[in-house]
Parts: sequence; structure tokens; C-alpha cells
Amino acid sequence: EDQVTQSPEALRLQEGESSSLNCSYTVSGLRGLFWYRQDPGKGPEFLFTLYSAGEEKEKERLKATLTKKESFLHITAPKPEDSATYLCAVHYNNDMRFGAGTRLTVKP
Amino acid sequence: ETGVTQTPRHLVMGMTNKKSLKCEQHLGHNAMYWYKQSAKKPLELMFVYSLEERVENNSVPSRFSPECPNSSHLFLHLHTLQPEDSALYLCASSSGLVQNTGELFFGEGSRLTVL
Repeated sequence: EDQVTQSPEALRLQEGESSSLNCSYTVSGLRGLFWYRQDPGKGPEFLFTLYSAGEEKEKERLKATLTKKESFLHITAPKPEDSATYLCAVHYNNDMRFGAGTRLTVKP
Repeated sequence: ETGVTQTPRHLVMGMTNKKSLKCEQHLGHNAMYWYKQSAKKPLELMFVYSLEERVENNSVPSRFSPECPNSSHLFLHLHTLQPEDSALYLCASSSGLVQNTGELFFGEGSRLTVL
């Protein structure tokens, strides 16, 4: 069965404590993997698209990487304003499927 | 107005009511979507419209009825809902079908509570 799984479900970090979020997928025919950020009470906001294994994208303190089975969102020296839910989505064949998200809390 | 605007932001309705959710995009996009977001669950795609034609309907119950009168407006008509339909309903748009572009622009959502 095609699946997109994000882990951990929730992550609490101290400000400046770097970590990574995981998005693993079991689909065939990957055409793209997307990362979104969602703040409470708001819709998701697009961050990155990754198309092939080995590709990396960076934006401020965030770096997304992709392998053949998973993607990581690395957060370097996070700040409280990075607190949000991070969603990944996988495009394969003619379908697009979201993970359930990782809720990140960064404490000052 | 910029981006994707959804109204109302909050809606409480009884199981026998009829209500509608409205979405308007000011981005010049030609594809629009309805998603359902329930707590701790992945976003569920409900409907996709491309150039005002419905291109996808993911086995959504008939008590949800979409309408796309033009490429800037999308409605979700609600009738005889069930309590399990309570969720955040998100509208999104993209410049082409998202399968090709990957980037969706979301509204802030309509929080629906069915009593």
C-alpha cells in the first residue's frame, strides 16, 4: 500500500538545538516530494520541492534532502519562530499524498 | 486582497442545516482544490478543479457538493452533515495541476463544527 509516514509526531527542542524531521514513503514512480509549513490556525505554506535522490534545498535554517525512500528536513539552530507543523507530500503517478505532519515546538 | 481567501473562518451547523464554504484566489491560477484536515491525520484531497472543470472527486460523500463558477472562485456546499465531518476545510490553488508544479497555495481554512 502506498504510504507517506512522518516522524516523530511531535518534537520539542531548545532554541539552538539542531535536529531533523523524517518523511518516509513507500510509493512507486516518485515524481516529487514537497515540504510545507503550517502555523496554528493557518493553511500550509510551501517550502521546498525535491525531485530526485541526492537533491538538497536550503532556506534560512532549513535544509531538505531526499533519498530513494525518505526525505529529511534538517533544522539548524532553530528559533522559537520555527515552531509549526511541518508537512511532507509525495507526488507519484497521478496522485499526491500528504503525511500527517510533525509538530515542532522550539522553546526559548 | 492577495493569495487565497476563505470564508467563513469558523462555522457551526446542525446536522440538518445547509451551508456553503467560499474560496477566492487572487493569484491568476487555473486549478483549485478542496482538502479536509482532521486532527493528527494527513490532508485528504476532496475535489480538484482545472479550468473550472472537475477533474477529481475522491469518493467524497454526496452531502459535500463542490461548485466552481470560474477560475477564481470555488464553493463547497454542505448538506445533512454528520459530526465526523467536523474538521478544517482548506482551499488551495496552483498555476497548473499540482502534479506538475508541486506548489499549492492554501487559504487559512474554514473550521467546521457539526453538532
